[in-house]
Amino acid sequence: GNSVTQMEGPVTLSEEAFLTINCTYTATGYPSLFWYVQYPGEGLQLLLKATKADDKGSNKGFEATYRKETTSFHLEKGSVQVSDSAVYFCALSDRGQGGSEKLVFGKGTKLTVNP
Amino acid sequence: DTGVSQNPRHKITKRGQNVTFRCDPISEHNRLYWYRQTLGQGPEFLTYFQNEAQLEKSRLLSDRFSAERPKGSFSTLEIQRTEQGDSAMYLCASSLTQGTYEQYFGPGTRLTVT
Repeated sequence: GNSVTQMEGPVTLSEEAFLTINCTYTATGYPSLFWYVQYPGEGLQLLLKATKADDKGSNKGFEATYRKETTSFHLEKGSVQVSDSAVYFCALSDRGQGGSEKLVFGKGTKLTVNP
Repeated sequence: DTGVSQNPRHKITKRGQNVTFRCDPISEHNRLYWYRQTLGQGPEFLTYFQNEAQLEKSRLLSDRFSAERPKGSFSTLEIQRTEQGDSAMYLCASSLTQGTYEQYFGPGTRLTVT
């Protein structure tokens, strides 16, 4: 079945450091790809998405490019802030029964940014 | 747009008891999903509704679990004869029928079975 593998955490960085969180996927067809973020005590929020190969999703300084040839969707940010401390989840859409577009998630990567 | 809401936010129950959770999706969203998230893991799909019809159920959804979405608005998830292994965060998400299928998540209901 479809699956997502993302780098193990936790990741600890200093403010203004460069961030990369790796994500690779296994899927039949061409799923949409997503990064969700979960801040402490809050629900999952969509951070960015890409719906086809070579698309770049971006939001709040974060970027990720849909790479079909390497089946990857790595998350990057050039300069992290303390407020970026959260758990980040990579996910893909998996078409199922009845038109379902359920999400398949990776295990999450906890990021802590120190001042 | 008030977002997806879930009630209760926390539930502690004893093994063997029944529990019911409620999800109110974003009002114009036709699609509704339930997921379960255990500690240190990503959310796992449980079931999917389009309007009032339950169209997909995961193998994770044992016979003790039942979900409904009467009238295609709010949804309930009931767990009968709870077990300690049911302890998890139960997440609800909704989305539009057409478009990029972005899912909007509620804050979740944390279930603890003692």
